[in-house]
Amino acid sequence: GQQVMQIPQYQHVQEGEDFTTYCNSSTTLSNIQWYKQRPGGHPVFLIQLVKSGEVKKQKRLTFQFGEAKKNSSLHITATQTTDVGTYFCAGRGTDSWGKLQFGAGTQVVVTP
Amino acid sequence: DTGVSQNPRHKITKRGQNVTFRCDPISEHNRLYWYRQTLGQGPEFLTYFQNEAQLEKSRLLSDRFSAERPKGSFSTLEIQRTEQGDSAMYLCASTQSHYDTQYFGPGTRLTVL
Repeated sequence: GQQVMQIPQYQHVQEGEDFTTYCNSSTTLSNIQWYKQRPGGHPVFLIQLVKSGEVKKQKRLTFQFGEAKKNSSLHITATQTTDVGTYFCAGRGTDSWGKLQFGAGTQVVVTP
Repeated sequence: DTGVSQNPRHKITKRGQNVTFRCDPISEHNRLYWYRQTLGQGPEFLTYFQNEAQLEKSRLLSDRFSAERPKGSFSTLEIQRTEQGDSAMYLCASTQSHYDTQYFGPGTRLTVL
């Protein structure tokens, strides 16, 4: 079955630094979504990517969908303490119109 | 507040007891999802509804788990004969279509003693 893997599992960043988290699917995806979960909170939608090679930006966050639609990345520049949380990617397979497969997430800790 | 709501927020039960959770989605959303999340993991899909129809159910879901959405609005998730391994956060999410954002509720944290 479809599996979604994220690396790294844990990211310790100094405030002001950049970092990237990666998401890889075992199968081709119809689309991929990214969510952020703050400690003690619930996942909150960030963005959806649908097209092969698509790149979207939200202020300091840049999201990319691979050409083969099997991988994605999230790059954060000039990390701030407000970026603390766990970032999940979630992929929808081409044969599953409802189900989203979430990765295990990248937990981000920011040091001032 | 027009977001997704879940009740109760916390449930502590003894092994072997039955528990039921409720989810009230955003009113105009026709799709409703149930997920389970354990520490250090992402949400794990359990099942989803389009209106009152249950369209997909995880193969990992034990037959002790059942979900309903009788009128296409709120949904309930019941776990029968709870086991310690059922301890987790149970999340509900709703959306208008499979291309749209999933809006998550605050979750119900279940602890089975």
